Amino acid sequence: KNQVEQSPQSLIILEGKNCTLQCNYTVSPFSNLRWYKQDTGRGPVSLTIMTFSENTKSNGRYTATLDADTKQSSLHITASQLSDSASYICVVSDRGSTLGRLYFGRGTQLTVWP
Amino acid sequence: EADIYQTPRYLVIGTGKKITLECSQTMGHDKMYWYQQDPGMELHLIHYSYGVNSTEKGDLSSESTVSRIRTEHFPLTLESARPSHTSQYLCASSEARTSGKPRQETQYFGPGTRLLVL
Repeated sequence: KNQVEQSPQSLIILEGKNCTLQCNYTVSPFSNLRWYKQDTGRGPVSLTIMTFSENTKSNGRYTATLDADTKQSSLHITASQLSDSASYICVVSDRGSTLGRLYFGRGTQLTVWP
Repeated sequence: EADIYQTPRYLVIGTGKKITLECSQTMGHDKMYWYQQDPGMELHLIHYSYGVNSTEKGDLSSESTVSRIRTEHFPLTLESARPSHTSQYLCASSEARTSGKPRQETQYFGPGTRLLVL
């Protein structure tokens, strides 16, 4: 069964600290993996996308890694800011259909305290 | 910020009422989607469309219906709302590409509609 599991479910850190969010998936065949940021009451916004051949991708203070062999990804946030408080969703796409089926994780709820 | 809009943002309505959630995008995207998301849960695809006059049901069974008469517009309708329909509804769109390679289509999401059925 194609699944996307994220950990931790929630995380609280102090402003300025770093943190790492995890994503494990069983989706096959694999096309790409995205990390989305979803602010409360808003729609998700894409942060990074990685294909099978990419190991790391950065977007400002966000750095995503991908290990396609172990089917794991992480999102590292450096020097956290209050505005980083949001849900971070891991989304994996398969290439088994023309739709490019997306599998969503439940997200990690990050809270950054001053 | 993506050019995709949803109205209303919040809706509180009584059981049995008919409602239509609006979604519009100005990016000229062929593909559009409706997702349902409960708090702390993953997004579930309930409808999608490849283009005008094309609509399909998603993975999660839904009593809602959709239409795609214009490229930019993808409204979702509930003929008779029930408390079980209380949820957040997210609309998204993506650009259809014709390349034979695995596509890296990015879905752009609207702000969502929070529906509460009493």
